[in-house]
Amino acid sequence: GAGVSQSPRYKVTKRGQDVTLRCDPISSHATLYWYQQALGQGPEFLTYFNYEAQPDKSGLPSDRFSAERPEGSISTLTIQRTEQRDSAMYRCASSLEIGGSHEQYFGPGTRLTVT
Amino acid sequence: AQSVTQPDIHITVSEGASLELRCNYSYGATPYLFWYVQSPGQGLQLLLKYFSGDTLVQGIKGFEAEFKRSQSSFNLRKPSVHWSDAAEYFCAVGASGNTGKLIFGQGTTLQVKP
Repeated sequence: GAGVSQSPRYKVTKRGQDVTLRCDPISSHATLYWYQQALGQGPEFLTYFNYEAQPDKSGLPSDRFSAERPEGSISTLTIQRTEQRDSAMYRCASSLEIGGSHEQYFGPGTRLTVT
Repeated sequence: AQSVTQPDIHITVSEGASLELRCNYSYGATPYLFWYVQSPGQGLQLLLKYFSGDTLVQGIKGFEAEFKRSQSSFNLRKPSVHWSDAAEYFCAVGASGNTGKLIFGQGTTLQVKP
């Protein structure tokens, strides 16, 4: 695709509900990153994929958070039993290959509000 | 642990004035350093990056940044600010392990006065 897309752009959910966020990376990109950005803060790393593999989940805040990229393209981030502290902007980025020298292209983000 | 500090949360400059946004990092080796800009409703856009070599790097939209190892700094500059530069700016460092994982500062919001 032309750029990284994310859906939905906005999500309001009640505490305790599960939510799934979607990221559609640039089609040729092998590597995909998820970040969480609280209001007034910079993005914080959650996890990343290289094709289907998920080498690093160290940033996931709890076992309520999980991510998938089963075919090495589209990825989903699922938050189970949402809590108010999960309210944030969730950003996805993709890069051509793994490694710090490759530019990450960011999507517009999903704004999650847990009431 | 690696970290990035942007000491200024908000900065206001007049249109046409010069701009400098500060960024300090903590990292043992030579870092990969980045500046991103975030406009309302948009994703983060890369302004410029430093990997090695010349310590003064040029980016898009007339921005430049200088890597100073002795000060652990990577400050962003622009000689003459335009109203369209009003946005939030993030400095980031590539985490160790070269996986592409980025560690961001908390951001600086730039307001431009007419």
